[in-house]
Amino acid sequence: NAGVTQTPKFQVLKTGQSMTLQCAQDMNHEYMSWYRQDPGMGLRLIHYSVGAGITDQGEVPNGYNVSRSTTEDFPLRLLSAAPSQTSVYFCASRKSGGNTGELFFGEGSRLTVL
Amino acid sequence: KNQVEQSPQSLIILEGKNCTLQCNYTVSPFSNLRWYKQDTGRGPVSLTIMTFSENTKSNGRYTATLDADTKQSSLHITASQLSDSASYICVVSVGSNYQLIWGAGTKLIIKP
Repeated sequence: NAGVTQTPKFQVLKTGQSMTLQCAQDMNHEYMSWYRQDPGMGLRLIHYSVGAGITDQGEVPNGYNVSRSTTEDFPLRLLSAAPSQTSVYFCASRKSGGNTGELFFGEGSRLTVL
Repeated sequence: KNQVEQSPQSLIILEGKNCTLQCNYTVSPFSNLRWYKQDTGRGPVSLTIMTFSENTKSNGRYTATLDADTKQSSLHITASQLSDSASYICVVSVGSNYQLIWGAGTKLIIKP
């Protein structure tokens, strides 16, 4: 049972380039989300999805797009990378549609934008 | 504004010693409070989830307490081990929606 799998683990981009961070879970979780983690700050929610075909914005959505065509996959797209998007990105999922279920996190994707 | 503040920012203790990490929150309406452990370079892993009516919850050598009146929580680690070296993050859920308010974490270092 792999849990939540993120790829790539590391990525370096130049300003203006675009890329997609992949996230897949094999736990049949309805809820999936993307966070970014910056030094000295709490995790910040970028986008989330409560099921296939349904996505919504979190706290810091600007510069990012998401889609949810299947229950398993929730990719995060950076449209035109900026140095301010240098961060560690975490994908997380949970079974419940509410906020009482345990969140399961991937190992993270470390992104550097030059 | 909903906020979660943790103290201390970092802590160094000797192996075998106990320690207590603090979490103060200003969140309304409160739903539940969680503690996560995050090893360096890894994703957070849940330790405990506490609802409004729970005062204490244990998970092995980890014991979390919650005082809903003073809006404070603590995480007590007993007989620390080198593997306890990690960041410990306090997270508070707001109401019945999907919003989680994350603290910045306490970085704990256990020295042999």
